[in-house]
Amino acid sequence: SAVISQKPSRDICQRGTSLTIQCQVDSQVTMMFWYRQQPGQSLTLIATANQGSEATYESGFVIDKFPISRPNLTFSTLTVSNMSPEDSSIYLCSALGLGYNEQFFGPGTRLTVL
Amino acid sequence: AQSVTQPDIHITVSEGASLELRCNYSYGATPYLFWYVQSPGQGLQLLLKYFSGDTLVQGIKGFEAEFKRSQSSFNLRKPSVHWSDAAEYFCAVGATGTASKLTFGTGTRLQVTL
Repeated sequence: SAVISQKPSRDICQRGTSLTIQCQVDSQVTMMFWYRQQPGQSLTLIATANQGSEATYESGFVIDKFPISRPNLTFSTLTVSNMSPEDSSIYLCSALGLGYNEQFFGPGTRLTVL
Repeated sequence: AQSVTQPDIHITVSEGASLELRCNYSYGATPYLFWYVQSPGQGLQLLLKYFSGDTLVQGIKGFEAEFKRSQSSFNLRKPSVHWSDAAEYFCAVGATGTASKLTFGTGTRLQVTL
C-alpha cells in the first residue's frame, strides 16, 4: 500500500490569489490524480498528473486554472489559480498502486476562499 | 460513460443493527467496483473492491458487498454496526482492468445512534 501526505491540510485564502498544494507518496506508484470535493458533494476528477509532461485534464478543468506538476514518481503539486469563493472545496491527491487495482488517497486539503 | 448512483443520501441506524448501503452502476462491460469510507477530516479509505470471480467480497472492518450483474448493483453490508462506523460512504466504478479512472457516487452519510 501507499501512504499519501498533503500540505497544507487547510488554508483560508483571499479572492484572486493562488495556492499550491503538495502531495507526497511514500512508495513507488504508477499514476497520480487530483480530485475536487465541493461541500456536500462527491469527488470529481480534475486531472491525471503525468511525470515529466503536461497533466491530462478532465472536461471542465483547464491548465490555466489548475496547473499541475509531477517532477518525479512520488511527488505532485496542484495550484489553484486566481481563486474565487466557488473554488472553496477539499482537494484530494490520489495514487494508483503498482498493481493498477487500487487508488490510495491523501487526507485532503480544505480550501476556503473569502 | 460510466456512472454510479447511491440512492440514499443519509441513513441512520442503531448500534448493533444491520446495515445495507445501496449502489447502482452503469457501465458497458465488467466494471471494477469499489467502496470507500471517509471519516470527518480524513481522506478516503478503501473498504473493499470487486474485479471478478466470487460475487460476494469481504472487506475490512467487517464489511462485505455483493455484485449482482443482473441488477447492476454492488450493495455494501455489515451485520452489526458500531458507533465508529459513522462516516460518509462512497461507491465508485472503474473501467475494466484498472482502478485509474474512477467515477464516484454522491455518497451516503451514515449516522449511528447509541
